[in-house]
Amino acid sequence: DAKTTQPPSMDCAEGRAANLPCNHSTISGNEYVYWYRQIHSQGPQYIIHGLKNNETNEMASLIITEDRKSSTLILPHATLRDTAVYYCIVRSRDDKIIFGKGTRLHILP
Amino acid sequence: DTAVSQTPKYLVTQMGNDKSIKCEQNLGHDTMYWYKQDSKKFLKIMFSYNNKELIINETVPNRFSPKSPDKAHLNLHINSLELGDSAVYFCASSQVWTHQETQYFGPGTRLLVL
Repeated sequence: DAKTTQPPSMDCAEGRAANLPCNHSTISGNEYVYWYRQIHSQGPQYIIHGLKNNETNEMASLIITEDRKSSTLILPHATLRDTAVYYCIVRSRDDKIIFGKGTRLHILP
Repeated sequence: DTAVSQTPKYLVTQMGNDKSIKCEQNLGHDTMYWYKQDSKKFLKIMFSYNNKELIINETVPNRFSPKSPDKAHLNLHINSLELGDSAVYFCASSQVWTHQETQYFGPGTRLLVL
């Protein structure tokens, strides 16, 4: 079972920041938070990951709360091409990636 | 310049047939994976190979047999195909078998069993 909880869907206006929340209240101290996304009919794509500190790369920013029980993925200027299902994943002890249902993000023109 | 490639992209076949899906990665990675995404869009790991050795087998029926001829290839052979095998199968790879390694996915093979 996935160790994360995400809203099933979200809308965001094009050009605005998309903030995708994720709860992972049972995360262990040595587990990372990963984000992947899956654009329709494509394979999942890695976005970003973090342990404790906030992270930023060319695609997104990841904000992890101090208690590590939740995180937020931020797409700073959403475009129509960001429409996808976004998966928040906590790596399990035996290192498998377990995908949950994800959040279906709709970018509205 | 595809990093993880799969063939075929689409596969339509009859129940009871045997088929293979091929996967190749040109990233120099040590670890490769097979995932299955069913009609409800749940994506689940099936197998993982590290340096040609099986390290994860997620209680997949033994009709599914992965084969890794070398580090860059992980093929999936399926015997006696059943209707429930219809799904999208994704291959992936990661540099090494460590906790924080990211995985790179192929485009998927859409299998339809009639």
